[in-house]
Amino acid sequence: NAGVTQTPKFRVLKTGQSMTLLCAQDMNHEYMYWYRQDPGMGLRLIHYSVGEGTTAKGEVPDGYNVSRLKKQNFLLGLESAAPSQTSVYFCASSSAHRLAGANVLTFGAGSRLTVL
Amino acid sequence: LAKTTQPISMDSYEGQEVNITCSHNNIATNDYITWYQQFPSQGPRFIIQGYKTKVTNEVASLFIPADRKSSTLSLPRVSLSDTAVYYCLVGDKQAGTALIFGKGTTLSVSS
Repeated sequence: NAGVTQTPKFRVLKTGQSMTLLCAQDMNHEYMYWYRQDPGMGLRLIHYSVGEGTTAKGEVPDGYNVSRLKKQNFLLGLESAAPSQTSVYFCASSSAHRLAGANVLTFGAGSRLTVL
Repeated sequence: LAKTTQPISMDSYEGQEVNITCSHNNIATNDYITWYQQFPSQGPRFIIQGYKTKVTNEVASLFIPADRKSSTLSLPRVSLSDTAVYYCLVGDKQAGTALIFGKGTTLSVSS
């Protein structure tokens, strides 16, 4: 079992470029989340999804878009990257089923993005 | 807005018991309390989860008083490898909701 896989692991962008981060999970989890982590700021929720075809805004959604076209994938897009979006991005997923450990998050290894 | 408040940092020595307290005054009836551990350059990983009273597993104990407005993660006999950031998270276990982390507690263990 791979768990939660994030691609790419590292990326350098120029201001104004666009890119997509892919999160894939093989645990049949209903819920998926995108967080960003900056020094001294902890984890901040960008967007999340409670099921295929649904997305919702988190704490810091501006400048990002997401899509959940398939249950196992959650994409995070930056349409026009800015230096303020330099960060480490973590994807997480969890089950909706109480007995399966609902809301116990499994995290990916992270994607380090630098915007110049 | 994070539902939790934790100390920013704590220091300990190898072999000591460490207790990290998390305050969650506005916890809802359906909320569970979950603790995560994060090492540098890694994603957080699950440590323990509970609803009330005491929960124990092979790595930690979680103490939750009757009013559930706080919880305490207890790490017995810490080692250098327990140096990490610890996050307390409060969230509904019965519905998908935004899971908002606080800033966490940086635990430093020295020899």
